[in-house]
Amino acid sequence: EVQLVESGGGLVQPGGSLRLSCAASGFVFSGYSMNWVRQAPGKGLEWVSYISSSSSTIYYADSVKGRFTISRDNAKNSLYLQMNSLRADDTAVYYCARAYFWSGRTTFDYWGQGTLVTVSS
Amino acid sequence: DIQMTQSPSSLSASVGDRVTITCRASQSISGHLSWYQQKPGKAPKLLIYTASNLQSGVPSRFSGSGSGTDFTLTISSLQPEDFATYYCQQSYSTPYTFGQGTKLEIK
Repeated sequence: EVQLVESGGGLVQPGGSLRLSCAASGFVFSGYSMNWVRQAPGKGLEWVSYISSSSSTIYYADSVKGRFTISRDNAKNSLYLQMNSLRADDTAVYYCARAYFWSGRTTFDYWGQGTLVTVSS
Repeated sequence: DIQMTQSPSSLSASVGDRVTITCRASQSISGHLSWYQQKPGKAPKLLIYTASNLQSGVPSRFSGSGSGTDFTLTISSLQPEDFATYYCQQSYSTPYTFGQGTKLEIK
């Protein structure tokens, strides 16, 4: 059974840092690209970042570029999101999501339960 | 960035109704379109990928269609567990944008 379990969320002051983790199990983690997606309270979904299976390709949303860093450790079956210079509008539930590629197209087929990040003084 | 616009934003319907939600992209995205269902406090769940392919384990009352810029999600006969918020998402190019969501409520 595919499982994605996020951790590392919490309350942080504006300008602070936080590192999120996503522990993967039930599939060959090193064979899949991964994503982070966030959802502000009461709002819709916002894609944050993508990393390919070998970490050779990385993308970010403009809203986090230069502040967030996505990474992975295939030996530990883990995905990470280092978040620096946090702002109030980064407050959200952060989900990790597996990328599934089919016929040259991609979708997010499995999601974790999410971890809440609150940026407030 | 590609903008995704869903309509309606909210919808009231009854058990057994046929419901259609539309999603329009600001430029052609070919078939790079997914639909997700989200219930309160839960993670999104994949329903449809590449516009019309049903994810394994998803009931056949869900279907998707469309290509280019216009897409639809249809629920053929609403069940009580279908009341949720639905999102479309394009994966044609980054940033992988989502629609604003359609909240499906019980009439």
